[in-house]
Amino acid sequence: EDQVTQSPEALRLQEGESSSLNCSYTVSGLRGLFWYRQDPGKGPEFLFTLYSAGEEKEKERLKATLTKKESFLHITAPKPEDSATYLCAVGHQAGTALIFGKGTTLSVSS
Amino acid sequence: NAGVTQTPKFQVLKTGQSMTLQCAQDMNHEYMSWYRQDPGMGLRLIHYSVGAGITDQGEVPNGYNVSRSTTEDFPLRLLSAAPSQTSVYFCASSPSGGEMNTEAFFGQGTRLTVV
Repeated sequence: EDQVTQSPEALRLQEGESSSLNCSYTVSGLRGLFWYRQDPGKGPEFLFTLYSAGEEKEKERLKATLTKKESFLHITAPKPEDSATYLCAVGHQAGTALIFGKGTTLSVSS
Repeated sequence: NAGVTQTPKFQVLKTGQSMTLQCAQDMNHEYMSWYRQDPGMGLRLIHYSVGAGITDQGEVPNGYNVSRSTTEDFPLRLLSAAPSQTSVYFCASSPSGGEMNTEAFFGQGTRLTVV
């Protein structure tokens, strides 16, 4: 069964304290791994797409990496405005919708 | 610059009532989908469509119907609302990516309460 597991469920950081979020997946033929940010009361906002093991993408304080079994979202020197729930999703079959993990809720305090 | 628009934003229904959640996108995307989001459960796929006239079931389709008569619109119908359908509903659209999936763009959600 295709599955996406995110860890930890919740993460509390001090401002400036770097860390990583994990997304492990089991799919029969990965057709893309996606990271989203979701703020309370809002829809998920797209961050990154990764298609191949070894691929990396960066945006401001965020960096996403991909291996054959998992992806990491590295947060460098986070700020309070980085507080949100981060969702990971995979595409497993062309032309179908994505499978989502349950998310990691990040809280950054000043 | 509308993107994906969902209406209504909030809705309260009585058990047994029916209603339609509206979703429209102006990006000419082929793929559209409906998810529900419940605490501790993440986003779960209800139905999806790969183009006008084509729909398919996702992980939790029971109690819901969809149709796709145009590229722009993908309404979700609740046939007979039940308290278990209390949730936040998100509509999403994606451009065609050939053999690969592409990123989905989400609406702002509809918060539905069934009493």
